[in-house]
Amino acid sequence: SYVLTQPPSVSVAPEQTARITCGGDAIGTLSVHWYQQKPGQAPALVVYVNTDRPSGIPERFSGSHSGDTATLTIDRVEAGDEADYYCQVWHSRSDHYVFGPGTKVTVL
Amino acid sequence: EVQLVESGGGPVNPGGSLRLSCAVSGFTLSSHGMNWVRQAPGKGLEWVASISTSNSYIYYGEPVKGRFTISRDNARKSLFLQMDSLRAEDTAVYYCARSSENYGGFFDLWGQGILVTVSS
Repeated sequence: SYVLTQPPSVSVAPEQTARITCGGDAIGTLSVHWYQQKPGQAPALVVYVNTDRPSGIPERFSGSHSGDTATLTIDRVEAGDEADYYCQVWHSRSDHYVFGPGTKVTVL
Repeated sequence: EVQLVESGGGPVNPGGSLRLSCAVSGFTLSSHGMNWVRQAPGKGLEWVASISTSNSYIYYGEPVKGRFTISRDNARKSLFLQMDSLRAEDTAVYYCARSSENYGGFFDLWGQGILVTVSS
């Protein structure tokens, strides 16, 4: 089965930049999507197809994709960005959706 | 309002069955693939099952294959998950999630979730 990896946690000071990585075998050939989940809430899509943002998501959230790693970048981090972030792909070879284990972002 | 509302959760004994429902409003259900995703207490997201717009494609995660059945009724604007032979490890919040209309590879709308507790 296909496996995605993420760092368990990332800590960042307000107004700084947070980078959350997502690794997987040949992930560069897949479309990567990112979700934000705040405590007690359902997940919400923040980036889709590697780099696109749904309407209503601030430009501070951006995605990139290179080699075996996808990255979610949050610029000018705010206290309200504290949440768990998950990457996700559709793995066509197994007909499975796969989520990464999640990264907890803490704003210092 | 565009939303998904899950129902049917609750406590159940190991080996028992439960049927989850997801009521859709504010958009045309027949235009979207639909999915179930679960989250065990304190754990990450786990994809459970997916169904295409016309029921042509149905997929299941390995832990639930053969025990869970996903179905949909576009006329009733509802998605379902029949869960049989439930195990303690199926305890989780179950989310109904909509696939994007133009590219089904991600989930652009989520319900608030419903808790299923499997315990004797």
